Amino acid sequence: EPEVTQTPSHQVTQMGQEVILRCVPISNHLYFYWYRQILGQKVEFLVSFYNNEISEKSEIFDDQFSVERPDGSNFTLKIRSTKLEDSAMYFCASSPQGALGKNIQYFGAGTRLSVL
Amino acid sequence: DQQVKQNSPSLSVQEGRISILNCDYTNSMFDYFLWYKKYPAEGPTFLISISSIKDKNEDGRFTVFLNKSAKHLSLHIVPSQPGDSAVYFCAASARGSGGGADGLTFGKGTHLIIQP
Repeated sequence: EPEVTQTPSHQVTQMGQEVILRCVPISNHLYFYWYRQILGQKVEFLVSFYNNEISEKSEIFDDQFSVERPDGSNFTLKIRSTKLEDSAMYFCASSPQGALGKNIQYFGAGTRLSVL
Repeated sequence: DQQVKQNSPSLSVQEGRISILNCDYTNSMFDYFLWYKKYPAEGPTFLISISSIKDKNEDGRFTVFLNKSAKHLSLHIVPSQPGDSAVYFCAASARGSGGGADGLTFGKGTHLIIQP
């Protein structure tokens, strides 16, 4: 069964460093997303991406964050200068171009980001 | 800002009985609702969804009910099995500026424990 894959599973970085989290969405999907879950809190939407541009972003997704689809398969989230509060589990998701009104998103296993 | 609320952090049910997980929402613009299941160290797995134009959707042991006037939905699992033990997230989507790539708003989750 096709799945969303994320690498690495765990990333440790120093405060102020740049990190890139990588995702390979399901191959025939057209919509891509990033979410995060801080320990003990709910899953929060960060950004969605379609047709090589950002479709929607939340208040969390400030100038420190950027997304890119550098080739036909990868979808990346970059955090320019990490802060302690960026420590969280980051989930990538993708969805197909489904029937009108459906928004079924399929998630990867996540990357745990630890900022020291 | 809890637009999607799951008021029961945990629920314990005996194997073979019915599990009922509840979810309330406040945003009238939500038009699509989903349930996800999550095991530790894995990403959320899509279970079942329902459009706001319906009040019930069934898939095998899983049924989701939507009461729009009460802004309430529930997930019924019958019969409950040991493998159903996981955290269940309610999520909602509003057709907005995402152009189809709309971010999901999640509840905090309910930890379902199926006892033998």
